Amino acid sequence: GQQLNQSPQSMFIQEGEDVSMNCTSSSIFNTWLWYKQEPGEGPVLLIALYKAGELTSNGRLTAQFGITRKDSFLNISASIPSDVGIYFCAGRRMNYGGSQGNLIFGKGTKLSVKP
Amino acid sequence: GAVVSQHPSWVICKSGTSVKIECRSLDFQATTMFWYRQFPKQSLMLMATSNEGSKATYEQGVEKDKFLINHASLTLSTLTVTSAHPEDSSFYICSAPRTGVQETQYFGPGTRLLVL
Repeated sequence: GQQLNQSPQSMFIQEGEDVSMNCTSSSIFNTWLWYKQEPGEGPVLLIALYKAGELTSNGRLTAQFGITRKDSFLNISASIPSDVGIYFCAGRRMNYGGSQGNLIFGKGTKLSVKP
Repeated sequence: GAVVSQHPSWVICKSGTSVKIECRSLDFQATTMFWYRQFPKQSLMLMATSNEGSKATYEQGVEKDKFLINHASLTLSTLTVTSAHPEDSSFYICSAPRTGVQETQYFGPGTRLLVL
């Protein structure tokens, strides 16, 4: 199925560094969600965005819904070892007729943090 | 806390047997739930949409007779992998949208299936 373009595919950083990842789409979305998945677990919702230009924070995490409605980014400030995991973006379009479309997922960004 | 639960968290079975996985929304009702399959180091692949009171909607390439879905109530959907084979071994994850002013989708913790 269709997937979003998520980058980077992986990151290996030093503890304390800031992290930035993004997702882009050729389609306009009306919802962007960011999830974190740890090994053997289901994705956990981090931040949900519903309006173009919206900037939302959750602790050290900040995400923005792009003005064009075709992209979103997630920033993690002052990374710590427990930030390790795979981060997925997910977007939802409005279907023709007004119903909500299914979530479309990026391929994930694998984050490794060196203490 | 968790808003979507799955049971079991892992299962090992012999080839040819059937395995049932339950997905429950814990503090909200969900007329729709989603079943995903995830292969190692890959993203989530939507298998089917479970609809309370009607038949599930399957994605292209997913065998409906192989993966039986029953949305028994507004808080429970089950996925049954029938006559499981080793190639069915995977990580299965369900999700449920919590609707309201703004809809948010929550995932269960996943079920690891190993077919011997």
